[in-house]
Amino acid sequence: LAKTTQPISMDSYEGQEVNITCSHNNIATNDYITWYQQFPSQGPRFIIQGYKTKVTNEVASLFIPADRKSSTLSLPRVSLSDTAVYYCLVGDNGANNLFFGTGTRLTVIP
Amino acid sequence: DAGVTQSPTHLIKTRGQQVTLRCSPISGHKSVSWYQQVLGQGPQFIFQYYEKEERGRGNFPDRFSARQFPNYSSELNVNALLLGDSALYLCASSPGRSSGANVLTFGAGSRLTVL
Repeated sequence: LAKTTQPISMDSYEGQEVNITCSHNNIATNDYITWYQQFPSQGPRFIIQGYKTKVTNEVASLFIPADRKSSTLSLPRVSLSDTAVYYCLVGDNGANNLFFGTGTRLTVIP
Repeated sequence: DAGVTQSPTHLIKTRGQQVTLRCSPISGHKSVSWYQQVLGQGPQFIFQYYEKEERGRGNFPDRFSARQFPNYSSELNVNALLLGDSALYLCASSPGRSSGANVLTFGAGSRLTVL
């Protein structure tokens, strides 16, 4: 079960781009990298998932280098509503026993 | 479409009691997982069920048990409650085992307080 390492917290001003980097040195060949967002007293919500290179959707981008030992979640032009905890997960093949860790608490400042 | 629904949303129990939490997955999803989230920490994996069979178990004592029904809904049972069992219990569903990608959809959770 691959574990991840993320910064504990980050602060950003509204309108800035935020990049959160995650280390996953023991990632396995079949593992995907997935990011979730969680607000207080709610369940985590899927943001983005990727295997290699770059993935972009309507809310974020995910950058994965060739060695796949790290990944970077990029949130463009954050707003106050993006204040949340962000978790980077590396998933075993088809399994649901994902390791969440403590996540990164992002605080967006007006 | 209804998302993952959990009940009850909040409950209070006393030490030694037993609790049953319920989860209905997204329609068409066959896999259900349970996570425990203590305040200030990330969710910790408890169980995964797929097609009514246990597919994974986290590092939790035997006081924790679960099952999945033919309609893919699930129950989590915790016996002999301890103060340390106070947490947000999250249920997540996914389509099922696949070759790689695995995206979970979480419910809002059941907040358990043990006094």
